[in-house]
Amino acid sequence: NAGVMQNPRHLVRRRGQEARLRCSPMKGHSHVYWYRQLPEEGLKFMVYLQKENIIDESGMPKERFSAEFPKEGPSILRIQQVVRGDSAAYFCASSPPGRGSYNEQFFGPGTRLTVL
Amino acid sequence: ELKVEQNPLFLSMQEGKNYTIYCNYSTTSDRLYWYRQDPGKSLESLFVLLSNGAVKQEGRLMASLDTKARLSTLHITAAVHDLSATYFCAVGGIQGAQKLVFGQGTRLTINP
Repeated sequence: NAGVMQNPRHLVRRRGQEARLRCSPMKGHSHVYWYRQLPEEGLKFMVYLQKENIIDESGMPKERFSAEFPKEGPSILRIQQVVRGDSAAYFCASSPPGRGSYNEQFFGPGTRLTVL
Repeated sequence: ELKVEQNPLFLSMQEGKNYTIYCNYSTTSDRLYWYRQDPGKSLESLFVLLSNGAVKQEGRLMASLDTKARLSTLHITAAVHDLSATYFCAVGGIQGAQKLVFGQGTRLTINP
């Protein structure tokens, strides 16, 4: 029973390049969440998606960041024109469908992005 | 804006001692989660607390929730070195939203 999968686990980009982070939710889960963790800090919510829909993007920076969760395939968090301040660990979590209010979120191993 | 505050942020203790980590939050919620994170690793779910007065225990860890006081505690009994990690509380269900709002984390170091 595979858990939440993320790839790559480590990603190095130079300033101005694009970063694409992928997340495959647990089997049977249709809700995906992205969080960012800066060094020595807690996780900060970025976006909540269901298949083909963005439900809550209140934590997404207004520029350069986008997310999608297509009907087929993993969820993707895309960061355009990366800057050094984007260096962080990006965690994806998933939860099952149904009555969502109490659905526990299960976290993936994270992608550690380093911007040179 | 919801604030979730943990204290202490750093805790160094000896094996065999007891201690409590506190998690205060600023708005009404009936969902409180505790996670453990080891360095460079992901988050491991420890407890899900869904109602006022909820108490859950697993091994040397016990978590409780007081929704009226907007306070959760994580109590460590007779600490052992393996419990060294960073512990996060997270609050969910604010105004029906699914997102979790995390505290800053408590870095726990247990010395032999």
